Amino acid sequence: NAGVTQTPKFQVLKTGQSMTLQCAQDMNHEYMSWYRQDPGMGLRLIHYSVGAGITDQGEVPNGYNVSRSTTEDFPLRLLSAAPSQTSVYFCASSYEGQFTGELFFGEGSRLTVL
Amino acid sequence: GQQVMQIPQYQHVQEGEDFTTYCNSSTTLSNIQWYKQRPGGHPVFLIQLVKSGEVKKQKRLTFQFGEAKKNSSLHITATQTTDVGTYFCAGLPSGGGTSYGKLTFGQGTILTVHP
Repeated sequence: NAGVTQTPKFQVLKTGQSMTLQCAQDMNHEYMSWYRQDPGMGLRLIHYSVGAGITDQGEVPNGYNVSRSTTEDFPLRLLSAAPSQTSVYFCASSYEGQFTGELFFGEGSRLTVL
Repeated sequence: GQQVMQIPQYQHVQEGEDFTTYCNSSTTLSNIQWYKQRPGGHPVFLIQLVKSGEVKKQKRLTFQFGEAKKNSSLHITATQTTDVGTYFCAGLPSGGGTSYGKLTFGQGTILTVHP
């Protein structure tokens, strides 16, 4: 099993550009989520999904869009990148749909917006 | 909304010294999880505590969940250089409402160990 796979690992964007961060898991997990990590602020939830076709907003959803068409994939779209979105992004999944299981994290995607 | 505060933000210790990080929630928690993130790495699950007053041990690591289920601690005995990293707590709020199911992470404690 590959676990949770994120691509790309590094990306540089210009202000106003759009892009998609990819996340795939091969553990048949129902729950998937996106976090951003900034120095001194821990991990903040952007969006999450409890199954295919179901998504919901987290703590910091503005400027991001998600969809969940399959159990395996949960892409994160930046609609119009801003310097404030410079961060490290982590995708995470869990096998327990009721949010009580451990989260398995991908290796992260480091995004810089100029 | 729910807030999870973690202290200290930084901790520098000599190898062999003990280390403790504390986590406090503004609301009662259903459970609390602890994660470790090595420098340049991703968070890795350490443990989950569910019961009031629960204490769990993993070798040199001791985890506690408060009686009121609003605070938790991680204690490392006799630190080693392999303990270096950031330790996060993450609390899941109890009950329903808009915050249900949204695990909230503390800011993390960055541990450095000097050999």
